[in-house]
Amino acid sequence: KAGVTQTPRYLIKTRGQQVTLSCSPISGHRSVSWYQQTPGQGLQFLFEYFSETQRNKGNFPGRFSGRQFSNSRSEMNVSTLELGDSALYLCASSSDIWGMNEQFFGPGTRLTVL
Amino acid sequence: GQNIDQPTEMTATEGAIVQINCTYQTSGFNGLFWYQQHAGEAPTFLSYNVLDGLEEKGRFSSFLSRSKGYSYLLLKELQMKDSASYLCAVRDGTSGTYKYIFGTGTRLKVLA
Repeated sequence: KAGVTQTPRYLIKTRGQQVTLSCSPISGHRSVSWYQQTPGQGLQFLFEYFSETQRNKGNFPGRFSGRQFSNSRSEMNVSTLELGDSALYLCASSSDIWGMNEQFFGPGTRLTVL
Repeated sequence: GQNIDQPTEMTATEGAIVQINCTYQTSGFNGLFWYQQHAGEAPTFLSYNVLDGLEEKGRFSSFLSRSKGYSYLLLKELQMKDSASYLCAVRDGTSGTYKYIFGTGTRLKVLA
């Protein structure tokens, strides 16, 4: 079974631009969560999608948004990029309907904002 | 507020046992997770506790006490490959929706 895939793996943008990251969950998984990981803040929860609906949301500004498609693939968008958005963005998928059990993480997208 | 505390760094010897503690503060507790993350890699799931007690899975065990807001991850028969960061995370439902709150991780160094 293929794991969680994320594209692109690396991205360099400048302040003010916007970016879209993509995540393909494990086949059959309907829950996709997004996280931001930085050395100073650790892993922070952005949002979770289940069956094309945003089910849970973290404490990030509205510049961070996402969506999920009918095939469970998910995208995350960050608009008006700031230097502080430089981070590793991880997505994780789960088959459990309540997302309580095992989450499988993708390799992440390393975003650098200049 | 919501907070998770775990030690920043620990060192142990190959073959030994190490216990990584995690304390949390949340009023809408809905489960606690432990993940392992090797440098430059994605986190991998280790364990999940929602009820009090010990969950054992091979060389790894995780304990939860909801009344104390406390958990620990126990690693037995340490191997060099166990050198990694260990992340404690709580699923919290105080705001009407669920959020996943992660600690900053405990970096474990296993020495020969």
